[in-house]
Amino acid sequence: TQLLEQSPQFLSIQEGENLTVYCNSSSVFSSLQWYRQEPGEGPVLLVAVVTGGEVKKLKRLTFQFGDARKDSSLHITAAQPGDTGLYLCAGVDNNAGNMLTFGGGTRLMVKP
Amino acid sequence: NAGVTQTPKFRILKIGQSMTLQCTQDMNHNYMYWYRQDPGMGLKLIYYSVGAGITDKGEVPNGYNVSRSTTEDFPLRLELAAPSQTSVYFCASSPIRWDTQYFGPGTRLTVL
Repeated sequence: TQLLEQSPQFLSIQEGENLTVYCNSSSVFSSLQWYRQEPGEGPVLLVAVVTGGEVKKLKRLTFQFGDARKDSSLHITAAQPGDTGLYLCAGVDNNAGNMLTFGGGTRLMVKP
Repeated sequence: NAGVTQTPKFRILKIGQSMTLQCTQDMNHNYMYWYRQDPGMGLKLIYYSVGAGITDKGEVPNGYNVSRSTTEDFPLRLELAAPSQTSVYFCASSPIRWDTQYFGPGTRLTVL
């Protein structure tokens, strides 16, 4: 079982729609990172959140870290085809060897 | 700066063969990591290094070996390739332990 569960696993939407993807765990994380990965490339960091309740905005993307630092969400407003990709969350669990653990990812397709 | 470079991009191995996946970074990062990504999945940590001469096991180290003789290079060795090692391998580096990961483009390995 994944330490970090991402949902949904797959999402196919039309351009202009809004969406939210989730990253959940029973563990507490000292920090949580979101990456986007395009086909044939390595993941690229979008944002890192470190404080419970923290909200960060990156243009049309809004990231939230849960108050208890066990979960996070990524909301995209007015999705565009360029948002297509695999979204990965990753967290550092101080009680699990202090390693960075990745979730299974949400594969997003935005159709024009 | 080239960032993190990996060679080769693609490789097909026969069962029992060995090979070394090369990884080099030019950002002077102390921390380097090897991950594998199976189809449709997130990333699993194989090995990591906190500096030249120091390496440690990650979540899935069996069947792999690493060395870190310089800050720049972190090669991953497969001694007896098995079909279960068919995957995409990513090398990453970071300036701070478990901080933002800078990924290479990946090596797609198939073991037949």
